[in-house]
Amino acid sequence: QQQVKQSPQSLIVQKGGIPIINCAYENTAFDYFPWYQQFPGKGPALLIAIRPDVSEKKEGRFTISFNKSAKQFSLHIMDSQPGDSATYFCAASGAGGYQKVTFGTGTKLQVIP
Amino acid sequence: ETGVTQSPTHLIKTRGQQVTLRCSSQSGHNTVSWYQQALGQGPQFIFQYYREEENGRGNFPPRFSGLQFPNYSSELNVNALELDDSALYLCASSELARETQYFGPGTRLLVL
Repeated sequence: QQQVKQSPQSLIVQKGGIPIINCAYENTAFDYFPWYQQFPGKGPALLIAIRPDVSEKKEGRFTISFNKSAKQFSLHIMDSQPGDSATYFCAASGAGGYQKVTFGTGTKLQVIP
Repeated sequence: ETGVTQSPTHLIKTRGQQVTLRCSSQSGHNTVSWYQQALGQGPQFIFQYYREEENGRGNFPPRFSGLQFPNYSSELNVNALELDDSALYLCASSELARETQYFGPGTRLLVL
């Protein structure tokens, strides 16, 4: 019930393409869904986050789409750039004082010039 | 920028030894969480500290323990190291009432 499933495991797109990463969850107690970007040798950095009462959120070139009934959410990267090459993790957590973040397995994105 | 710092950056230990990792939280954050990230996997929650007390724990054995100090910095201690403990250990700080966690750069531990 705590698992967050993420796909694909890896993704290669050309510069300017729109990579899409999908995630699904089972625990309906989750109410906060962040995406993290991680470069090799670095810690994860918060990219964008959404709550289940919102179906879409955009920040710059990054967009989260959220389908509460299907318990699925996805990340779209518009006009992808080689600098976006990194590993992306979806995650989920519940509200309140116990802030355990459950991560997906990660998607390694490579953007080819 | 996250403002979370961790030390050391890298560490090599042998099986059976003990290790202490350190974390300084971002200014204004009163909660610290620790995660273990094995190579090629997502971070796994170890435990969280708030006001110097453990506030939640993941599926890790008791040989993983921690401390939080009055200035909200924290330590992760691992006793009787095993080969499978080799991983990147991440510290994340946050405000208790807010969900967003900010991660440090991690400590890479290699157990031989």
